Amino acid sequence: QKEVEQNSGPLSVPEGAIASLNCTYSDRGSQSFFWYRQYSGKSPELIMSIYSNGDKEDGRFTAQLNKASQYVSLLIRDSQPSDSATYLCAVKEEGFQKLVFGTGTRLLVSP
Amino acid sequence: GAVVSQHPSRVICKSGTSVKIECRSLDFQATTMFWYRQFPKQSLMLMATSNEGSKATYEQGVEKDKFLINHASLTLSTLTVTSAHPEDSSFYICSATPTAGENTDTQYFGPGTRLTVL
Repeated sequence: QKEVEQNSGPLSVPEGAIASLNCTYSDRGSQSFFWYRQYSGKSPELIMSIYSNGDKEDGRFTAQLNKASQYVSLLIRDSQPSDSATYLCAVKEEGFQKLVFGTGTRLLVSP
Repeated sequence: GAVVSQHPSRVICKSGTSVKIECRSLDFQATTMFWYRQFPKQSLMLMATSNEGSKATYEQGVEKDKFLINHASLTLSTLTVTSAHPEDSSFYICSATPTAGENTDTQYFGPGTRLTVL
């Protein structure tokens, strides 16, 4: 059973701080990794994808991938109250179409 | 780019009726679309994978005769909830992956359809 694990939270950070969200996965054959944000009552929206070991930056967001440790993380710099949402980590194994989602980490950014 | 729409956004129906939900990729072609269901405060649950021109692949425990999926074109997939009952009330979300380009393994989600069965 392929698994993606995330701490459910909530992770509470003050406005302006760095929020660090973590995810581990069980399948070493995984090739593609995604972070989605889901506001309450809404559908997920893509934040970033990452495929290679190392860091990938997009604005205030940085995704980090370590395939040896089977670990992927998302850093949010200068966190804003509007970043308060559930962050879903998703993993895709090569040759498979579907994504395996973690249960999500709820982030609360206080003003 | 990579916009996915769903219609309707919200539907209320009586028990025993059938409800059809449409999922469209607006600015890209999608060979593969996915249907998810999400109950309040719970995780996304994949129901089925839909490939254009072929039968959908259902996840274990999902009744294919109750949740009919049709993917007749590269931009449209439909989910029909047949003989809906109150326990089918949920948030149904589709996603689509582009057929071509850099992001052929990325799922882009529609806004979801909230189904309430009375």
